[in-house]
Parts: sequence; C-alpha cells; structure tokens
Amino acid sequence: QSVLTQPPSASGTPGQRVTISCSGSSSNIGNNTVNWYQQLPGTAPKLLLYTNNQRPSGVPDRFSGSKSGTSASLAISGLQSEDEADYYCAAWDDSLNGYVFGTGTKVTVL
Amino acid sequence: EVQLVQSGAEVKKPGESLRISCKGSGYSFTSFWIIWVRQMPGKGLEWMARIDPSDSYTDYSPSFQGHVTISADHSISTAYLQWSSLKASDTAMYFCARRIAVAGGAVDWFDPWGQGTLVTVSS
Repeated sequence: QSVLTQPPSASGTPGQRVTISCSGSSSNIGNNTVNWYQQLPGTAPKLLLYTNNQRPSGVPDRFSGSKSGTSASLAISGLQSEDEADYYCAAWDDSLNGYVFGTGTKVTVL
Repeated sequence: EVQLVQSGAEVKKPGESLRISCKGSGYSFTSFWIIWVRQMPGKGLEWMARIDPSDSYTDYSPSFQGHVTISADHSISTAYLQWSSLKASDTAMYFCARRIAVAGGAVDWFDPWGQGTLVTVSS
C-alpha cells in the first residue's frame, strides 16, 4: 500500500501549467529527499527529478520540483503532448525502513 | 551508456519456480545497489527489495519478505529476482533499477531502470 498520496489525475491544454502534489508524513517526505519518476505509456519509469528539485541531464527545464514539510510537488510548465504519462513521487520511509512510492498521477494533455 | 537489460517475458503455472535477471553494463556493477520494483496490471509502483552487488547484502520490503529472493553475480554483472512457488497474484511487470546514493547513502534515487519483465502466472 502506498503511503504517499497523489491525485489520481491532472490535465491541461498545451502550454498550460500543471501541478501534482505528493503528501506524506514526517517519516518519509518530512525527513528525506523526494524523487519523481515519469512513466510513459507502455514503458519503464524514468528518473525525472531527484533530491527534491534536481533535473538529470536531458530533462527539460519545464519540469520543476519543490518540497515543504511533509509534502512535495511537481510542476510542469508549458505542457506538451509528450508529457502525457504517469508520474510517481518516491522517498525513503524511516518507519517502514524501505522505499515508498506515491499512488501515481496520470497527466492528460487535452 | 549505462543500461540495465532484463530477461524476457515469462508465462508460468501456479506453484512453479522462476528466476528473472537484470544485467548491468556501462558502469562498475559492484559500485551501485540494484533495486526491484513490482507493478501489477493497471496499478502503481511498489518497492520490493534491494541488493548490494559487492557483498550481496539484501533488504526486503515486509510485503515481499519470504516470498521472493534476490541475489547477484558480480562476475557477470547480473542481479536476479526469484520465486520458489509462484501464485496467480504474482502476475505483474517487474523492474530493476540502479540506486545512486550520495551523502553516505542518506540521499538516493533510481537511475536508470531496466525495460521490465512481464511475469504471467496462470493455470
């Protein structure tokens, strides 16, 4: 069972800004860094952001992340059709002594 | 290029055993832990276990402890996930990924991921 809660869906028209929230607790997001993964349809997850807000090489600067307290968020500005995917937050959980993923958010470009 | 290549799709019957693999290339295999993640049909990602290929130290999620076993053979840069007795509920896509850690391991992330191995268990 996921202990990080995300909205099941989000949508926007091309060019709009979309924000996805990730709500956790003091044992995970509150005390550890958050990473975000993008899963395009039918493919493996791919690292999108690490250590709360760092973009790996090759990830467009349209993607940004932030963390405050026990919550984190991913923002996609200038939404593009190729951004249609499932997005997952993830963090280490000190109480569970393991990694936890968010419930996942499906982003649709209208 | 750093990559993880997983073994192909499997179709098994309940009660059968199975081992799937994840071969790393383009980096020092013993310098990075490997993690395994399950994705059941139409569902989200679940962390299963992790292994340090340098000494085969393992960590399991309580949800998977006792039902799967992970191992690694650093001589061929390959990690494994195995079941001794499959159940229909093991039907899922399984991903491996490389764990990158900094700050003494306190900060980490997964990159890259393998392409996934689909396991189907059906009588």
